[in-house]
Amino acid sequence: DVVMTQSPLSLPVTLGQPASISCRSSQSLVYSDGNTYLNWFQQRPGQSPRRLIYKVSNRDSGVPDRFSGSGSGTDFTLKISRVEAEDVGVYYCMQGTHWPFPLFTFGPGTKVDIK
Amino acid sequence: QVQLVESGGGLVKPGGSLRLSCAASGFTFSDYYMSWIRQAPGKGLEWVSYISSSGSTIYYADSVKGRFTISRDNAKNSLYLQMNSLRAEDTAVYYCARDDYPTSYGMDVWGQGTTVTVSS
Repeated sequence: DVVMTQSPLSLPVTLGQPASISCRSSQSLVYSDGNTYLNWFQQRPGQSPRRLIYKVSNRDSGVPDRFSGSGSGTDFTLKISRVEAEDVGVYYCMQGTHWPFPLFTFGPGTKVDIK
Repeated sequence: QVQLVESGGGLVKPGGSLRLSCAASGFTFSDYYMSWIRQAPGKGLEWVSYISSSGSTIYYADSVKGRFTISRDNAKNSLYLQMNSLRAEDTAVYYCARDDYPTSYGMDVWGQGTTVTVSS
């Protein structure tokens, strides 16, 4: 099975400063169709998860442009250009390339809070 | 607006059963693949099960295979998860989510979740 890891697991940030989260997979996430099915989700305290990014770098509708995704193969990054108070929460990467067992694999999550 | 609303959670004894429901609205439910994902208290997200738009293709995580059954009723815009032989480790918030295949393999809409507690 593909294993997803994230670093750091905890990220204290200063308002207005950039933040970066790394996600690594144990196998390449390039699918046979040439796409890379790597997603990023945000879960604010007490809320359901919300997808921010799909296929490595595509922002979902309504996601602020301060969020960006990049990477390829096995190494991926979520960046927040200038952290705002509403960005506090846990961020998960998730792969959808290697299936069906398991179909989707989440990373352990990175908790972002304000210093 | 696009919405998913879960129901059916509760307290159940080990070995018991529970059926979760997810009511979809604001989109053509029969066009979309759907998943159940769970989150144990204080833990991360775990994918549980997946069903294709027609219901012909179904997958389960190893942790629930043989005990849980996913199904859907496209006429009622509803997704279900029948959970049998429940264990303490099944205690979690259960989310239903829409998959946006073929745009991507990933969940673009989530419900608010329903809590399942397995305890004697």
